[in-house]
Amino acid sequence: GAVVSQHPSWVICKSGTSVKIECRSLDFQATTMFWYRQFPKQSLMLMATSNEGSKATYEQGVEKDKFLINHASLTLSTLTVTSAHPEDSSFYICSARQGRAEAFFGQGTRLTVV
Amino acid sequence: SQKIEQNSEALNIQEGKTATLTCNYTNYSPAYLQWYRQDPGRGPVFLLLIRENEKEKRKERLKVTFDTTLKQSLFHITASQPADSATYLCALDPSGAGTALIFGKGTTLSVSS
Repeated sequence: GAVVSQHPSWVICKSGTSVKIECRSLDFQATTMFWYRQFPKQSLMLMATSNEGSKATYEQGVEKDKFLINHASLTLSTLTVTSAHPEDSSFYICSARQGRAEAFFGQGTRLTVV
Repeated sequence: SQKIEQNSEALNIQEGKTATLTCNYTNYSPAYLQWYRQDPGRGPVFLLLIRENEKEKRKERLKVTFDTTLKQSLFHITASQPADSATYLCALDPSGAGTALIFGKGTTLSVSS
């Protein structure tokens, strides 16, 4: 299957700092990328949908000024958690699709804010 | 309200048996449904996609059925092995147009030797 590379796989940061997570589709062009958040023993919760070259669409309750998404090319999307706080600690996962095909996921990023 | 539910949080079976996982949905009419495997601390890995006009799909030891009347999909792993132990997620695309997948909470399968 297609490969989606996400990094870093884990990051620890101090409260108040910003963290950037990268998501790359390595062998296909992703028309759409998605960012999910997952708490322990919970399902993946969609945060936002991004299309290359346009602004991301955020789900209700997700602060767009806190979770900045940039989809600069058909193979790269980034999620920046700004002014991170301990409650932002979570597992963040990106996903990429090419049209209506199956979705492929990155390895996930474990963010811990101390 | 729209819901996608997986019948149990955990399923424990012995090696060699068939594992059957259930996914039910309400208030959706998906054109297809997908199953993923997720290991701890990792992103989901795509396993199978079944379309609404397909009753059954197979891939090696995996089999998926899709009953749009019952609004249910069953996921089977035959001749299960300890390496099959993981969380299995069902997911659907509400619009069928490449929008975000909606996931069930998952069923954690444990296969003991």
